Amino acid sequence: ETGVTQSPTHLIKTRGQQVTLRCSSQSGHNTVSWYQQALGQGPQFIFQYYREEENGRGNFPPRFSGLQFPNYSSELNVNALELDDSALYLCASSRPGQNYGYTFGSGTRLTVV
Amino acid sequence: AQSVTQLGSHVSVSEGALVLLRCNYSSSVPPYLFWYVQYPNQGLQLLLKYTTGATLVKGINGFEAEFKKSETSFHLTKPSAHMSDAAEYFCAVTRYSGGGADGLTFGKGTHLIIQP
Repeated sequence: ETGVTQSPTHLIKTRGQQVTLRCSSQSGHNTVSWYQQALGQGPQFIFQYYREEENGRGNFPPRFSGLQFPNYSSELNVNALELDDSALYLCASSRPGQNYGYTFGSGTRLTVV
Repeated sequence: AQSVTQLGSHVSVSEGALVLLRCNYSSSVPPYLFWYVQYPNQGLQLLLKYTTGATLVKGINGFEAEFKKSETSFHLTKPSAHMSDAAEYFCAVTRYSGGGADGLTFGKGTHLIIQP
């Protein structure tokens, strides 16, 4: 297994801009979740995709959106960036039968200035 | 709604001493419980999880945790601390019947410091 790969590792954006973060999951991992981890805090659930459909969402506004592709890759898009969006964004994936055995990527550190 | 409280944002123990990291949860339905470890500039690694069955769960690197429903607790222990255990530890909960769609609810984390 090659793990979960996220890109880029670091990113600096200006307030009001849009950003796309990418995640490449392991083959067969048809469930992917995204989390936001602010400095000194635990991760917060943004949303989950299962077989390319969003099937769960946390308390995040619609300007946070996502896509999941058939090749087990996924994207997190954030529009109209705000300073408070500065955080580590984590992608986690799992395959059928893993019973919540999520594999996390190393994250993308987003800084909004 | 579910929540997790981790008592102690920082815990310091001597190398070779017992490690005890506390986690209490709140859930109106049967929970699934997890402990994750995060090293600097890395993602989260699953240490152990409780889903159903045996309430004492053994994980990787010598860690274990016990699910106590009456105390709504899921404390993490390790008999003998090693320098390599220094990291951030997160307790998390999700809904048993949610199919994962609720995501994991994490605590704020406990920073474990190992004194030589």
